[in-house]
Parts: sequence; structure tokens; C-alpha cells
Amino acid sequence: EAQVTQNPRYLITVTGKKLTVTCSQNMNHEYMSWYRQDPGLGLRQIYYSMNVEVTDKGDVPEGYKVSRKEKRNFPLILESPSPNQTSLYFCASSLIGDSAAEAFFGQGTRLTVV
Amino acid sequence: GQNIDQPTEMTATEGAIVQINCTYQTSGFNGLFWYQQHAGEAPTFLSYNVLDGLEEKGRFSSFLSRSKGYSYLLLKELQMKDSASYLCAVNRYNQGGKLIFGQGTELSVKP
Repeated sequence: EAQVTQNPRYLITVTGKKLTVTCSQNMNHEYMSWYRQDPGLGLRQIYYSMNVEVTDKGDVPEGYKVSRKEKRNFPLILESPSPNQTSLYFCASSLIGDSAAEAFFGQGTRLTVV
Repeated sequence: GQNIDQPTEMTATEGAIVQINCTYQTSGFNGLFWYQQHAGEAPTFLSYNVLDGLEEKGRFSSFLSRSKGYSYLLLKELQMKDSASYLCAVNRYNQGGKLIFGQGTELSVKP
């Protein structure tokens, strides 16, 4: 079954404690990205990757890091989380080169930073 | 820059038809997607338009006018399970798979 898997689904952490949210896809997609979703603001892209070892900033990258060492995995790293990073996070993947290619989303990670 | 506008909320009755509009302003337009998102869940793909006209898929249809920067999603024979947020998203040339989302339209279907 084609899917994007994120873990954990829910996370409560304290300010400054490093955390990683994992994302894995089984569709051999080149393009992977992270979004955060906040009320009234919609989905905003944090970082994206067009292939292994190729990553770039999206629209709201401050306070986040990513890596793409393997094609299937694209973890999101918060080195020093702050309360303004409390949000619902989604990982997504799609094919590159096909503008009609739909994005497949993970189940979401609800992060609370206290 | 880019801008995508959708109504924040809509209410409709079970069995009825509802039209959700989306207007966009963007350079390098390369297609428009509609996604459905139930509360707390992942967005799921509904439709894609890149050429002007209507795309029909069962109870759902999507329309695009590139010259007007306008799209709508039409939902027929509404069911209670259609209560969800509907997201309009634009793809741009040379941006890979990046999608620019509107804030979403929360649709409530009432009996």
C-alpha cells in the first residue's frame, strides 16, 4: 500500500529539548516536504527536498532542520523547540517532473511545546 | 508574490449542492489541486486542473479559468461525511512538487 508514515502522531515536549519527527515513504518519490498547519494560516511549507542530499528552505524554515540521506526518509529536526512551534505537522511526498502528480500526506504529528 | 483566497466557512444541507470558490494570483501557474481534510487527519487528493474547463469525478467536479485566476469545487448530493475542510492549492513552474495552499474552507453539512 502506497503510504507516507510519520512518527510520532502526538508529542508534548519542553522548550529547548531537541526532537526529531520521522517521515518515510514507500513510493520511490523524489520530492518530499514538511508543512505546518496553524488555524487561519493554512498549510505552510517548512523545508523540501528534490532528491537525496538535496534540501532547501520553504516559506517558514526558521527553527527547523532536515536531512535526506536516503530517498525514502526525510526527518524534521527541531534543535531547540519553542512554544511558537506548537502546531500540526505534515510530511508529504510526490513525483517530480509531473505537474499533475498529487502529493501524498502522512497522518500528521501534533506537537505541543511547553 | 502569490495569494490564494477561499471562504473560511460554508454550511449546506444534506442532499444539496455546494460550490466552494478559490481565487489565486501567482506567477508561473502550473495547475491547481483540491484536497479534502477531515479534522485532525491528513489532506487527501480530490482533483487537479491545469487547463480551462470542468473535470468531473463522481459527486465531485472541479472547474478552472486560468484567465480569471479562478477555480471552484462542486459537491453534489451532499452527505454528512462530506463535512470537512477543502483546500485549494496551486503548483508553480520550476518549483518541483511545491504546493501553495489557501487557508481552506470549512464545510458543515447539516441534516
